[in-house]
This record gives sequence, C-alpha cells and structure tokens, in this order.
Amino acid sequence: KNEVEQSPQNLTAQEGEFITINCSYSVGISALHWLQQHPGGGIVSLFMLSSGKKKHGRLIATINIQEKHSSLHITASHPRDSAVYICAVRAAGNKLTFGGGTRVLVKP
Amino acid sequence: DSGVTQTPKHLITATGQRVTLRCSPRSGDLSVYWYQQSLDQGLQFLIQYYNGEERAKGNILERFSAQQFPDLHSELNLSSLELGDSALYFCASSASGQEYNEQFFGPGTRLTVL
Repeated sequence: KNEVEQSPQNLTAQEGEFITINCSYSVGISALHWLQQHPGGGIVSLFMLSSGKKKHGRLIATINIQEKHSSLHITASHPRDSAVYICAVRAAGNKLTFGGGTRVLVKP
Repeated sequence: DSGVTQTPKHLITATGQRVTLRCSPRSGDLSVYWYQQSLDQGLQFLIQYYNGEERAKGNILERFSAQQFPDLHSELNLSSLELGDSALYFCASSASGQEYNEQFFGPGTRLTVL
C-alpha cells in the first residue's frame, strides 16, 4: 500500500461544476502539499497546510490530521483548471512523498 | 514564474553516457531538492541540500550524485545512463531546510535516454 493515496485517479467535469479530490496518507506528517501540474509539465505549489483549511480564489484545501485525510476543492471549475493535481506529504527529514496524482479535465 | 531555474530544458543522450543537470534556486533560498518524475514511478524525492551540505536522501541511485555549490546553485549528475532513467527531473528550493517552508519548483529538465 502506498503511503499517499489519491482518489479519483481521473475526473471529468463540466465547466462550473464543483470538484473534490481526496488524499489519504498513512504516516505521521508535519505538512501536506497540494501541487498542480499542467500539461507542459511545470509544477506549481497550490497549498501547504498542517491543520484546518486554506482558501485561495476558487481553490479550497482542508486537512484532518486525526483521520490522515485531505481534500482539495475547486469551485466553479473552468477549463483552465484542467491539470494533474498531486498531493504530497512531508514527513520526517523534510522528504516529500507524493501521491499518484488526479488528472482533472474540465469541459466547456 | 517560481524563480527557480533549471538547465537544460531538454536533454537527449544515449545509454552509458553521463549528464549534468543544473538548478539555480530562488534568490535567498538556501535549500535545494531534486525530484524525479517517471511514467511508471510518478514523482520521487531524490536528495536535498541545505547551504552546501547534504540534508536528506531519498530514492537516489548510486549512479546519481548531486552537490550544492557556494553560490547555492546545485547540480545533479547522472552516470551510466539506462533507458529507465528517462524522466522529468525537477528541482525545488525553499528558504531554509525547515519543514514549515514551502518549496518552489523549477520548470524541470526532460531527459531522454535512447
């Protein structure tokens, strides 16, 4: 079993729909990152959180440390949100361990 | 633009060869991380340097080595290349080596081994 599991692996939504991506992890962590990778390959850090909830524009990230679970929500999705979203956890030694990614396609 | 630069952008080479990938961190960042993203393994942490010293090691092969120079840029050396080394190699930087610091990713170097 991988230390970091994401679901779903693939997601297709219509423009305007609310999207939720889930991340579960099995180790103790100091922080969790949500990353976005566009088709060109570049990676952008969206959030780093260790508790509670963070919001940036139409993106919301939540984490429940007790349940070892995080969610990334995209409200009013847009075709430009189409990308791979990757959850990564930071455990001992500041190493990042990555989930397998969720490929999101938002259709106009 | 994250402020992290990587060169070259693309690299095509043959099996058995040696290549060097270069990373310049954001201005003021002391820590550099290297990651490999391959089709079958996804993203994996390779190694971290902080202010010139190795700080953490991940799934880095013995054929690979890295260093961070006094001007804080870093190089990842890959030798005796195999087909399976074909991947995207990312570097990231953070202000310090501490766990609460966000990491900023470079654009990556795409390595193709033929």
